[in-house]
Amino acid sequence: EPEVTQTPSHQVTQMGQEVILRCVPISNHLYFYWYRQILGQKVEFLVSFYNNEISEKSEIFDDQFSVERPDGSNFTLKIRSTKLEDSAMYFCASSVGQGNTEAFFGQGTRLTVV
Amino acid sequence: QQPVQSPQAVILREGEDAVINCSSSKALYSVHWYRQKHGEAPVFLMILLKGGEQKGHEKISASFNEKKQQSSLYLTASQLSYSGTYFCGTERGSGNTPLVFGKGTRLSVIA
Repeated sequence: EPEVTQTPSHQVTQMGQEVILRCVPISNHLYFYWYRQILGQKVEFLVSFYNNEISEKSEIFDDQFSVERPDGSNFTLKIRSTKLEDSAMYFCASSVGQGNTEAFFGQGTRLTVV
Repeated sequence: QQPVQSPQAVILREGEDAVINCSSSKALYSVHWYRQKHGEAPVFLMILLKGGEQKGHEKISASFNEKKQQSSLYLTASQLSYSGTYFCGTERGSGNTPLVFGKGTRLSVIA
């Protein structure tokens, strides 16, 4: 069964460093998302991406965040200068359509900023 | 605006039933239900697209009342495997937009 894959599964970084989280969405999906989940809390929407551009972003997705689809398969989230409060599980998701179709989630990258 | 879920947590014995509610202050076009087990990704359960629609998944079903802007998830004859956190997701904007999730309902099923 096709799945969304994320790498790495765990990332520890020092405050102020840049990190890149990688995702390979399901191949025929057109919409890609990043969500974040701080330990024990809800899943928060960060950004959606369609047709090689950001279609929506939340208030959390400020200038330190960026997304890119550098080739036909990868979808990346870059955090430019990490802060302690960026520590969270980051989930990538993809879907065929938006709104009325199922979003498939990857297993997540646990980011720890020290 | 995120949907509001209730209760925050519930503990059940195997075989008991539970209802998890999800409501929104804005018009809903669809409601999505996901279950997340500890340390894992959210897993899709079902989407409800129409007012009054009911759907089922194993012994888990849901209803969607468009007029009341709410959805309920029904878990009947609960099994240990039902334990996890249940999230409802509603569309961020006016249809065909990404999901925003409620804070979740933590369900624990004990033997």
